[in-house]
Amino acid sequence: DGGITQSPKYLFRKEGQNVTLSCEQNLNHDAMYWYRQDPGQGLRLIYYSQIVNDFQKGDIAEGYSVSREKKESFPLTVTSAQKNPTAFYLCASSSRDRLSYEQYFGPGTRLTVT
Amino acid sequence: QKEVEQDPGPLSVPEGAIVSLNCTYSNSAFQYFMWYRQYSRKGPELLMYTYSSGNKEDGRFTAQVDKSSKYISLFIRDSQPSDSATYLCAMRNSGGSNYKLTFGKGTLLTVNP
Repeated sequence: DGGITQSPKYLFRKEGQNVTLSCEQNLNHDAMYWYRQDPGQGLRLIYYSQIVNDFQKGDIAEGYSVSREKKESFPLTVTSAQKNPTAFYLCASSSRDRLSYEQYFGPGTRLTVT
Repeated sequence: QKEVEQDPGPLSVPEGAIVSLNCTYSNSAFQYFMWYRQYSRKGPELLMYTYSSGNKEDGRFTAQVDKSSKYISLFIRDSQPSDSATYLCAMRNSGGSNYKLTFGKGTLLTVNP
């Protein structure tokens, strides 16, 4: 089955620790994205990557880092510098076709930092 | 002014009602308009899309875009309890190298049996 997987579904960390969220896709998509979703805030773009070894900051990149070493994988690290890391994190991917419009989302990872 | 405005609701309707969900936007460069449906604790899934102005119908769902007013709508006819979800509008520019979608905050819909 083609799709996007995110693991784990729930993640708990102590304040001050870095944590890495996994995102893998087998849709052969070039572009991948990380969003954060908070109640009442909708989806806010953290980072996106249009091709391997290249990525750009989104609207709320501070306190986050990413890498794109493989087409299939786009891990997100939430660093201790992120002031409010508790949130629902969504990974997505899409084709780079200029007519493409659909982003396919993973099931999300709910991160709780205490 | 935010690029995309969407009333967060919550919106509660009886089964069988016609539901109207709306977004306004400020960026006249937006050309692709989408509606995503998100069930609780799940990732969003694409429901409808429209390119530029016009209407598009798919079963009980109709998407409308009025670019002159910078206003998009999603209508749900004969609403069902299974339609209970958060509905997110999204939009993007046409072509170029920017593949970013800009999302509204989402409207929480509950359809009561």
